[in-house]
Amino acid sequence: GENVEQHPSTLSVQEGDSAVIKCTYSDSASNYFPWYKQELGKGPQLIIDIRSNVGEKKDQRIAVTLNKTAKHFSLHITETQPEDSAVYFCAATTNYNFNKFYFGSGTKLNVKP
Amino acid sequence: GAGVSQSPRYKVAKRGQDVALRCDPISGHVSLFWYQQALGQGPEFLTYFQNEAQLDKSGLPSDRFFAERPEGSVSTLKIQRTQQEDSAVYLCASSDGIGGYTFGSGTRLTVV
Repeated sequence: GENVEQHPSTLSVQEGDSAVIKCTYSDSASNYFPWYKQELGKGPQLIIDIRSNVGEKKDQRIAVTLNKTAKHFSLHITETQPEDSAVYFCAATTNYNFNKFYFGSGTKLNVKP
Repeated sequence: GAGVSQSPRYKVAKRGQDVALRCDPISGHVSLFWYQQALGQGPEFLTYFQNEAQLDKSGLPSDRFFAERPEGSVSTLKIQRTQQEDSAVYLCASSDGIGGYTFGSGTRLTVV
């Protein structure tokens, strides 16, 4: 099955700086890669996703890049704010509606004011 | 409803007890998923329903775990004879087939 690895496990940045979280996957058939933000005591919330037919997607301060050849994808957050502090998970799947997601182990992001 | 609702939010069970966790998905969502999230880890897939049909239960860790969705809406995850290693957050998610998953807030199960 699919194996998703995520780095780093913790990341501390100063407010206003950028944060980058990286994931690798093993199954070349994976074609959908969502990123989730999980705040304490809450379920994961989808923040951005990318499909394998594009290399980059951006939504305001958040962007995701995908390198299919190297089987890795990254989350970029610019101009970080304290409210960005949370645990972020990457995931991969071969069919986003009708199949299981394989999640990374999470990155705890701390944005210091 | 506006979101995926899970109950109870917290459950403490004595080892050997049976528990039932409820998930009320977003109205009209065909797909429903259960995940288990151990402390400090990412969610791990347990099972998937499309309407009332359980299409994939490959992630259920043992035959003590059972899930159902009899009318294609509310789902229940049942764990029989709970053990300490069952302690985790159990997350439910639903999907309309277009917008991806929406997760509930989860049920935190502690087995003592």
